[in-house]
Amino acid sequence: GEDVEQSLFLSVREGDSSVINCTYTDSSSTYLYWYKQEPGAGLQLLTYIFSNMDMKQDQRLTVLLNKKDKHLSLRIADTQTGDSAIYFCAEISNSGYALNFGKGTSLLVTP
Amino acid sequence: DVKVTQSSRYLVKRTGEKVFLECVQDMDHENMFWYRQDPGLGLRLIYFSYDVKMKEKGDIPEGYSVSREKKERFSLILESASTNQTSMYLCASSLKRDEAFFGQGTRLTVV
Repeated sequence: GEDVEQSLFLSVREGDSSVINCTYTDSSSTYLYWYKQEPGAGLQLLTYIFSNMDMKQDQRLTVLLNKKDKHLSLRIADTQTGDSAIYFCAEISNSGYALNFGKGTSLLVTP
Repeated sequence: DVKVTQSSRYLVKRTGEKVFLECVQDMDHENMFWYRQDPGLGLRLIYFSYDVKMKEKGDIPEGYSVSREKKERFSLILESASTNQTSMYLCASSLKRDEAFFGQGTRLTVV
């Protein structure tokens, strides 16, 4: 499938903002998603953005989409220790059924 | 709330055994998916199904088969388990080309 790339690790201090970046190659991507996985659990949808949008805000979460550069980011404001998890970027194309995932970014929040 | 239930959280099987992983969803979703998750490799699609009795190969179908006899149930079958199939298996479902809802995962160990 098409590639979705993310950095593997990010460490931030509690109270700081976290920014997790993602790039994708499929120009026909229609929806882009951010999922969160806590240790030992399945994936939980955090937020999503349609490809015709460039920003979406949901409480502490801000998603930015640069469709020209095929770059997606997730900003978490006032990061808490409970935000420590793996964050997956995913996309689905107009012709696809299944989500195509990045390898995930492990976020570590230190006190 | 959508519920995707995987029959086992942990399984230990012997090499050569036939293994069934079961997944049930309760929201009448058309699409169901099986992914495996491995450290450093992220989520990789094994098989998906977009309707009863329909199945499509994903990125890594070798060594696996699937069954979808009823809309709510999607089974993953390892015909002859091998140690390289030790992994976390995640089932998901979605309505049309939409966000996917995940089960809690089955951690399979093949010894």
